[in-house]
Amino acid sequence: QSALTQPASVSGSPGQSITISCTGTSSDVGGYNYVSWYQQHPGKAPKLMIYEVSNRPSGVSNRFSGSKSGNTASLTISGLQVEDEADYYCSSYTSSSTSQVLFGGGTKLTVL
Amino acid sequence: QVQLQESGPGLVKPSETLSLTCTVSGGSISSYYWSWIRQPPGKGLEWIGYIHYSGDTVYNPSLKSRVTISLDTSKNQFSLKLRSVTAADTAIYYCARGDSRTSLHFDPWGQGTLVTVSS
Repeated sequence: QSALTQPASVSGSPGQSITISCTGTSSDVGGYNYVSWYQQHPGKAPKLMIYEVSNRPSGVSNRFSGSKSGNTASLTISGLQVEDEADYYCSSYTSSSTSQVLFGGGTKLTVL
Repeated sequence: QVQLQESGPGLVKPSETLSLTCTVSGGSISSYYWSWIRQPPGKGLEWIGYIHYSGDTVYNPSLKSRVTISLDTSKNQFSLKLRSVTAADTAIYYCARGDSRTSLHFDPWGQGTLVTVSS
């Protein structure tokens, strides 16, 4: 089963903005507005940051935003902070027979 | 607020059955979807499947032949059984609450429990 494609790593300096991409197909990311983003610090459970492409759960900073264009979804973090350093995973509903929910391979964000 | 906690053996022998339980506290198990997700050490996430409070289940087709997820509403718990395990099933196993409408995003998650498959 093919995971969604994310860059292995991205980096930025405090105060800057970064964007993490998540590329799928028309059977998942491109076909449905069910893309979610999770933040995972080392040794911790993932935390929901964005759901249904661009919605933020209560308590998540508005520095985190999501969008989608075609088969690619994006997570943007503005005003980078040291505590944003973590792994980020996207997920999407898929209509293919491989699974109902697909995850991306994860992106390591380093705040320099 | 709702909290989830996984429990079960940390070591399972090859060919045996992995059994885990997730206890939900701070809220009812009703009206939501309840999922299991795993993460091999140092690797990405894999959705295993979910159970709805009505009892309906959906599994990842790649694991469907070996997986059973069940619910015990009297104990506010749901459980995972994965049969005929191999070393490839070694992972951190997380339980998580799925969105009540779609089941497709997960919040909150349990802290995770490492299960190692080894003789």
